[in-house]
Amino acid sequence: ETGVTQSPTHLIKTRGQQVTLRCSSQSGHNTVSWYQQALGQGPQFIFQYYREEENGRGNFPPRFSGLQFPNYSSELNVNALELDDSALYLCASSSDRSSYNSPLHFGNGTRLTVT
Amino acid sequence: AQSVAQPEDQVNVAEGNPLTVKCTYSVSGNPYLFWYVQYPNRGLQFLLKYITGDNLVKGSYGFEAEFNKSQTSFHLKKPSALVSDSALYFCAVRPRNQAGTALIFGKGTTLSVSS
Repeated sequence: ETGVTQSPTHLIKTRGQQVTLRCSSQSGHNTVSWYQQALGQGPQFIFQYYREEENGRGNFPPRFSGLQFPNYSSELNVNALELDDSALYLCASSSDRSSYNSPLHFGNGTRLTVT
Repeated sequence: AQSVAQPEDQVNVAEGNPLTVKCTYSVSGNPYLFWYVQYPNRGLQFLLKYITGDNLVKGSYGFEAEFNKSQTSFHLKKPSALVSDSALYFCAVRPRNQAGTALIFGKGTTLSVSS
């Protein structure tokens, strides 16, 4: 069973630039969620994708956007980067968007630094 | 606003002693409750969950958690700590009336087990 994989592991960008982070979900999982974990904080929900459509979103501005592909992999795009966007970005997959009971399976994250 | 509180930034215990990591929540209804662990430069790993039923739930690596509805608490426990338990622990809740799989996380508690 292949777990959740994220790329790249580390990334350094300049304020105002755009970034794309990638995630491959665990085998058999069709739902992907993205979380932002700032230093010293718990993860915060950005959004969730199910069957290539966004079906849940946290309190993040529209410059945070995403995609899910037919193979259930996903991308997180952030435009007009700000210094406060520096964080660990975590991707998590699950087998059913409505499985409230099911734990999420997390990747190791992408560490984004904005200078 | 819905929130999760982990009142201790750090918990220090000696190996072999029992440990408790505290969590309280302010979420309407009867949310689902989770504990995750995070090792350095890694994603989150699921430890255990409470859905319904017995107030004491058992999870991975000998951890257990006690649910107290009247105190809205879900404390993580282990009878005998190991040095390898040293990590960052997150309590998370998922409201039952919320679509999708969004989790609300606490800020995390660093557990340090000394030999």
